[in-house]
Amino acid sequence: GQSLEQPSEVTAVEGAIVQINCTYQTSGFYGLSWYQQHDGGAPTFLSYNALDGLEETGRFSSFLSRSDSYGYLLLQELQMKDSASYFCAVRGTNAGKSTFGDGTTLTVKP
Amino acid sequence: DAGVIQSPRHEVTEMGQEVTLRCKPISGHDYLFWYRQTMMRGLELLIYFNNNVPIDDSGMPEDRFSAKMPNASFSTLKIQPSEPRDSAVYFCASTFGTPAGQGSDEQFFGPGTRLTVL
Repeated sequence: GQSLEQPSEVTAVEGAIVQINCTYQTSGFYGLSWYQQHDGGAPTFLSYNALDGLEETGRFSSFLSRSDSYGYLLLQELQMKDSASYFCAVRGTNAGKSTFGDGTTLTVKP
Repeated sequence: DAGVIQSPRHEVTEMGQEVTLRCKPISGHDYLFWYRQTMMRGLELLIYFNNNVPIDDSGMPEDRFSAKMPNASFSTLKIQPSEPRDSAVYFCASTFGTPAGQGSDEQFFGPGTRLTVL
């Protein structure tokens, strides 16, 4: 089976940098994804790490360490619109199936 | 492409009634997923299909839930009879499958159906 842990809530101020961590336990693993979900909206894909290291997409970066069963999402130059829930998801070796974490609610304050 | 389409967007029904949720995946996608989201349980995978065939339905809560995918462009999730604890947002998502370890693994979610069972 698969399980993921991420903090339930994070608060930061506009313009700051925030890191959302995700640790996972899985019997088989292909990659780690991150999704963003605004209140009342649907999850939208942010990034996917299949290999160790850092993937950068604009203000957002995602990191994976397979040896530590750990990843994080880094958000830079925070904006008010970044207030949302962020989910990590593990793609297991049961190809096609991903398990989502419980989500981290990010609140960005002025 | 219009993205994943779900209907209805909102459904209010009474306990014991049958509910049918509908999904049209993105054209060309060969995987379709049904999720349920609640505050208590988060985002749960109920069932997923590959090339219209159900692959894993271990997340379906009980026999009251059933899902079908008669063709590549349409899927339904049915609850019969519905109960108040089924109240949730139900998402359909689709993706194009890639060999394990390759590709972005991006799932495209529909807007969801907010179901309220009274």
